Amino acid sequence: GESVGLHLPTLSVQEGDNSIINCAYSNSASDYFIWYKQESGKGPQFIIDIRSNMDKRQGQRVTVLLNKTVKHLSLQIAATQPGDSAVYFCAETPDSSYKLIFGSGTRLLVRP
Amino acid sequence: DAGVIQSPRHEVTEMGQEVTLRCKPISGHDYLFWYRQTMMRGLELLIYFNNNVPIDDSGMPEDRFSAKMPNASFSTLKIQPSEPRDSAVYFCASSTGTENTGELFFGEGSRLTVL
Repeated sequence: GESVGLHLPTLSVQEGDNSIINCAYSNSASDYFIWYKQESGKGPQFIIDIRSNMDKRQGQRVTVLLNKTVKHLSLQIAATQPGDSAVYFCAETPDSSYKLIFGSGTRLLVRP
Repeated sequence: DAGVIQSPRHEVTEMGQEVTLRCKPISGHDYLFWYRQTMMRGLELLIYFNNNVPIDDSGMPEDRFSAKMPNASFSTLKIQPSEPRDSAVYFCASSTGTENTGELFFGEGSRLTVL
């Protein structure tokens, strides 16, 4: 599959532990944020989104936190599983259009 | 639904040749996006369409790149002439354009290698 990036920051966690992946965004005008997961050889897959009028949103085993003051976004994965191993991207819409701008990604490795 | 379908999955060509990448979006989706992914630049939006009309092509690198959407079920991205620096994975994605504007459905990509 496609090697997304040799220089990606990597987070290594033990199976069963919680994972926290962080993302800093630059445009204070962005009002909508999304997390995507990309497995090797596949296209990105939507995980969860959050609008700027919220601080937190929960899904199944995942939580997204938004701190607009410091322009920071995080993705928390509970009870990390081997299938969670992938590259995770945050994305933003800087101008309320349908134009998603993706961050550089973080590789998550889950140790058995 | 079969999801977004892209072809070819892999293409190897020589510099100067024309390359055409194809995409079939999910039926009923009004938005279609073309992204390029490289190790150096990550995921870049090239162009997107709404109801077959190009809305924003500001990400298209240069005149060698062109994209069309002749109907709601088909889009092409063409590179002519191709150059080695065009080597990348090209993704097509589609979305409904409703409340969840960020939920794009990506195809599996077309990996292009230009020698």
